Amino acid sequence: DAKTTQPPSMDCAEGRAANLPCNHSTISGNEYVYWYRQIHSQGPQYIIHGLKNNETNEMASLIITEDRKSSTLILPHATLRDTAVYYCIVRALGVRGANSKLTFGKGITLSVRP
Amino acid sequence: NAGVMQNPRHLVRRRGQEARLRCSPMKGHSHVYWYRQLPEEGLKFMVYLQKENIIDESGMPKERFSAEFPKEGPSILRIQQVVRGDSAAYFCASSPGAQRNTEAFFGQGTRLTVV
Repeated sequence: DAKTTQPPSMDCAEGRAANLPCNHSTISGNEYVYWYRQIHSQGPQYIIHGLKNNETNEMASLIITEDRKSSTLILPHATLRDTAVYYCIVRALGVRGANSKLTFGKGITLSVRP
Repeated sequence: NAGVMQNPRHLVRRRGQEARLRCSPMKGHSHVYWYRQLPEEGLKFMVYLQKENIIDESGMPKERFSAEFPKEGPSILRIQQVVRGDSAAYFCASSPGAQRNTEAFFGQGTRLTVV
């Protein structure tokens, strides 16, 4: 079962920032937070991941609260092509990586409107 | 640097036939994951393999499904005696290793249709 909770959907206007929330209140100290998205029926696309510090790359920013129980993915200037299902995932690793699979929940459907 | 390659992109099989889905990981990646996505549903983990080893097959159906990742060549997901309920998109992902700060990259999937 997914260890994260996301609202089912949200929308934002094109050109504005999209802030996608995620709750992971049972996250362990050695678990990272990953974000992926799936546009239409394409393969999931990696966006960003982090442990406890905020992270930024060319696609997005990831803000993790100090207690690590929640995080926010920020798309700074959403475009119509950002319309997709966004998945927030916590990922743990065990011996020989036995627990390193990504467990997808239902995600949040982001609709970017013109 | 080519991404994860899956073939075929579309596969049609009659009930009872076998389906073979191939996944070539990114260069330098030795870990492969297979996922299934039924129509209008989420991605479900099936199996995680390292070269010549199955690490985690907790999501694999007990019968008719098998997976391998040989020392040479692509990873293969094999479905024997397919049924209509096997119709789905099958995605594979690869990563360089099991380190916790490693991304896994996905292919574009194989759409299996059983008629």
